[in-house]
Amino acid sequence: RKEVEQDPGPFNVPEGATVAFNCTYSNSASQSFFWYRQDCRKEPKLLMSVYSSGNEDGRFTAQLNRASQYISLLIRDSKLSDSATYLCVVNTNAGKSTFGDGTTLTVKP
Amino acid sequence: EAGVAQSPRYKIIEKRQSVAFWCNPISGHATLYWYQQILGQGPKLLIQFQNNGVVDDSQLPKDRFSAERLKGVDSTLKIQPAKLEDSAVYLCASSLRGSGANVLTFGAGSRLTVL
Repeated sequence: RKEVEQDPGPFNVPEGATVAFNCTYSNSASQSFFWYRQDCRKEPKLLMSVYSSGNEDGRFTAQLNRASQYISLLIRDSKLSDSATYLCVVNTNAGKSTFGDGTTLTVKP
Repeated sequence: EAGVAQSPRYKIIEKRQSVAFWCNPISGHATLYWYQQILGQGPKLLIQFQNNGVVDDSQLPKDRFSAERLKGVDSTLKIQPAKLEDSAVYLCASSLRGSGANVLTFGAGSRLTVL
């Protein structure tokens, strides 16, 4: 079993749709959680951190359920520019960052 | 702030040849990572340095891969001899410190094709 698992998709949605991605992790000692975004043939870039209380950044909402070892990302009012691969990342307290294989989103006009 | 620099951006070699990739992290970043990303997969950690010491190299295929970070700044990743399955993008990343809350900044990557 992989340490970090994501639904690979692809998710194909129209502009304006709401879409949710899920991620599960196996290491119960994991400390910090993030979502990164990776555009085609580019490097991953931080999208947002994920806090236990849940957090929101504009159209993006991230949630963490430590008991279920589950992380989610919700994108509201999808834009064409949201098309990318979204990577779930889990950190240990030693700073080791483990990436999921990503979920691919395509937003269509 | 200058980003993470990597070179070369592209490299094509034949199997059994050797290749080296170079990385210069963001100034002041103590932690440096090398990841391998195969097409369709997420980045997989090869090695993590804290200053010039190795923190984690458990997934580095040590029979053919080696990495060093002399003086705690630049780093080099070498593959010798290369295999077809080494075709991937090699991503270097750095972070301010190697703690649980650290955020990684990646370089543009070095794309390796092994023929």
